[in-house]
Amino acid sequence: EVQLVESGGGLVQPGRSLRLSCTASGFTFGDYAMSWVRQAPGKGLEWVGFIRSKAYGGTTEYAASVKGRFTISRDDSKSIAYLQMNSLKTEDTAVYYCTRVKPAYCGGDCYDDYWGQGTLVTVSS
Amino acid sequence: SYVLTQPPSVSVAPGKTARITCGGNNIGSKSVHWYQQKPGQAPVLVIYYDSDRPSGIPERFSGSNSGNTATLTISRVEAGDEADYYCQVWDSSSDHPRVFGGGTKLTVL
Repeated sequence: EVQLVESGGGLVQPGRSLRLSCTASGFTFGDYAMSWVRQAPGKGLEWVGFIRSKAYGGTTEYAASVKGRFTISRDDSKSIAYLQMNSLKTEDTAVYYCTRVKPAYCGGDCYDDYWGQGTLVTVSS
Repeated sequence: SYVLTQPPSVSVAPGKTARITCGGNNIGSKSVHWYQQKPGQAPVLVIYYDSDRPSGIPERFSGSNSGNTATLTISRVEAGDEADYYCQVWDSSSDHPRVFGGGTKLTVL
């Protein structure tokens, strides 16, 4: 059974940093691209970014709203994807979901076939 | 950036057919994916590549895509189908390439 478990959320002050983790199980983690999607309270879904599998260079893509502040990485030996969030703003407050992406390259027609339950990040002074 | 437009809400009686639209410029040239999100839960993929269903999704869920509109159709609607539904596409020309629609709240009367 595919499982994705996010952790690391919490309350953080504006301008500070936070790192989220996504621990995967039930599939060969290294074969898949992984993505982060967020949802502000009472709002819709917003894609944050993704990381391709090592077979495709482990390259990353980001939404303009987080580019330069957020970094996605992966540790295939531990089956964990990370979201490093720097220079946090109040508008980054959201539930952050980790997703598994297909196909592995995610060059244009990819979708999220499994989602974690999410972790809440609150940015407030 | 590319914009996907969904109606905020759709209402349907049990047993009837619900149609949720997703509008976008020439969306028919793109692959559309649909997600269902029930209150307090994570989204679930219900349709990918316009009309394919993941395993475990009932045949009552179907999708189509042509011109400037993609449609998620739910036949024989049940109370358990009440949820928010989001469409999603990839737009390589955008600085926000993976785009979600604003979501549609499906209410079962």
